[in-house]
Amino acid sequence: AQRVTQPEKLLSVFKGAPVELKCNYSYSGSPELFWYVQYSRQRLQLLLRHISRESIKGFTADLNKGETSFHLKKPFAQEEDSAMYYCALILGDDKLIFGTGTRLQVFP
Amino acid sequence: DVKVTQSSRYLVKRTGEKVFLECVQDMDHENMFWYRQDPGLGLRLIYFSYDVKMKEKGDIPEGYSVSREKKERFSLILESASTNQTSMYLCASSLGAPRDTQYFGPGTRLTVL
Repeated sequence: AQRVTQPEKLLSVFKGAPVELKCNYSYSGSPELFWYVQYSRQRLQLLLRHISRESIKGFTADLNKGETSFHLKKPFAQEEDSAMYYCALILGDDKLIFGTGTRLQVFP
Repeated sequence: DVKVTQSSRYLVKRTGEKVFLECVQDMDHENMFWYRQDPGLGLRLIYFSYDVKMKEKGDIPEGYSVSREKKERFSLILESASTNQTSMYLCASSLGAPRDTQYFGPGTRLTVL
């Protein structure tokens, strides 16, 4: 089945530590992947997309087709990065499929 | 700035009631979506719509229906609410292409007693 897997429900780090939120996908076509983020008491919003190859709020994500992964990384976590992060994949029929999400907690 | 609004932040209904969740977007977006968000299950697509009066089933359409009579409004209907439909419901809209950013509403937390 075509799906998105986020193996960690919760990731806790201290401020200044590196962060990697894992995302693996299973898809037979050419994947398009995204990271969405939901901060406390805010709406779910787009963080970044792989085709843009951009860095947003210090986060980057590289598509690795060999490992079918799209991990989200940041070298130095900040307390304001604490949020729920969802990896998402576009399926060929135009649907966006979300993973189960990872809650990132950054302690001071 | 895109604005997606949902009619209620919190809603409490009884089993068997008919429930309407309303969503309105003000950016002339073609696409609109309804998801439910549950801990450990992430976001699951219920229904989506590419145009007025058009609708497509998502991954979990059972027990739900939708209506899109106007471009800016997308309604989710629970014909006969059940306790397993207690959840956070998120509406979203996007411009047109699949890769276009989806803009989300604040969510409606529905409790079915």
